[in-house]
Parts: sequence; structure tokens; C-alpha cells
Amino acid sequence: QKEVEQDPGPLSVPEGAIVSLNCTYSNSAFQYFMWYRQYSRKGPELLMYTYSSGNKEDGRFTAQVDKSSKYISLFIRDSQPSDSATYLCAIAPNAGGTSYGKLTFGQGTILTVHP
Amino acid sequence: ETGVTQTPRHLVMGMTNKKSLKCEQHLGHNAMYWYKQSAKKPLELMFVYSLEERVENNSVPSRFSPECPNSSHLFLHLHTLQPEDSALYLCASSQRTGDNEQFFGPGTRLTVL
Repeated sequence: QKEVEQDPGPLSVPEGAIVSLNCTYSNSAFQYFMWYRQYSRKGPELLMYTYSSGNKEDGRFTAQVDKSSKYISLFIRDSQPSDSATYLCAIAPNAGGTSYGKLTFGQGTILTVHP
Repeated sequence: ETGVTQTPRHLVMGMTNKKSLKCEQHLGHNAMYWYKQSAKKPLELMFVYSLEERVENNSVPSRFSPECPNSSHLFLHLHTLQPEDSALYLCASSQRTGDNEQFFGPGTRLTVL
């Protein structure tokens, strides 16, 4: 079983739609959850970072964590063509500062928002 | 230049060639990383450097050889690669080793013929 499972899509939605992106993970030792966004021909950039179960909101983006189900989600409201990118979930066992940056990434979901 | 830069952006090489990828971070960070990104696969961590010292080698074949001459520069030396090594190679940096927020460069698209 993979440590992190993410539906690769591709996902195509009309502008203004609500987008739901999801990942599941297998190891309850993971405590920190991130969403990275990767535009075409660019490297990933951190979009959302959360620790506890529940919701974290930042503008049109909401990250949701359900540790009991080992399920994380990213919601995008009022999606825009500029949101078209690959979205990568990433999980980690601790906050950092250990001997190495052991992020475990999902496969990435390709999202296209068309006008 | 700002952030993390990588050169070259594209590289085509034969299996007998020797080439190097370069990464430079302008963020004053202490840790640098090499990742491999293949189609339909998750990002794979290859190497981690902390203050120029290698702290992680994630079972990477010896045909990949990293070098970190100072905290701002990271190289990946390539020799006798295989076609399955074709991928996007991403460099990243973070303030401290192991930080979950990592800053990525744009990557080098490598094709091995």
C-alpha cells in the first residue's frame, strides 16, 4: 500500500466551480499536512500547511484534515483559469528540524479550469 | 536572481555522457535537496544537504553524484545514465534541515537517449 494516495485526474471544471482535491494516507504517524501547487514548467510552491484536524481557510482555498479517516482535502471556491495547475498533497511526521526533510508526496492531481 | 534557480532548464544526453545540473538558492537557507519527478509518480527525495554536509542519500544509484560546495550551491553530477532516468530534477531549499516548507526551483528536464 502506498503511503499517500492521490487521484491523478486530470480534472477539468468550468470557471466558478467548486473544486475538491483529495488524498488518503496510511500511517497515523503523519501529523503535518501540506498542499503544494505546481504550475507548468515551474517547481512546486507551498499553498496550504496545516497540523490539526479540521479546516483551515485562506481566501478561496480551504484545507481540511480528518485524522481519524486519514483523509485530507483541498477545496477551491470560485475557481479561476489561473488555478489551473498540478496540486500535490504532502505529509510529514513532524514539524521539521530533524536530520532530513522527509516529506511524502502524493502523485499530484492535474486541474484545468476553463473559461 | 531571487528564490531558487536551476540550470540548465533542459538537457538531452546520451548514456555515455557526463553532465552536471546546477542549483543556486538566494534565500539564505541552510538545507538543500534534490528530488526526482517522473510522469505519473510522486516526487522522490534523492539527497539532502545540511550546511554543506550530506545527511540523506535515499538509496540513489551511484551514477548520480551530488556535490554541495557551499550552502548556496548544489550540483548533481550525472554519468552513464539510463533512459529510465529521464525525468524532471527539482532542487529545493529550506531554512532548516527537515522543514516542511521547502522552496523549489523550476527544475531541469532531463532526457537520456
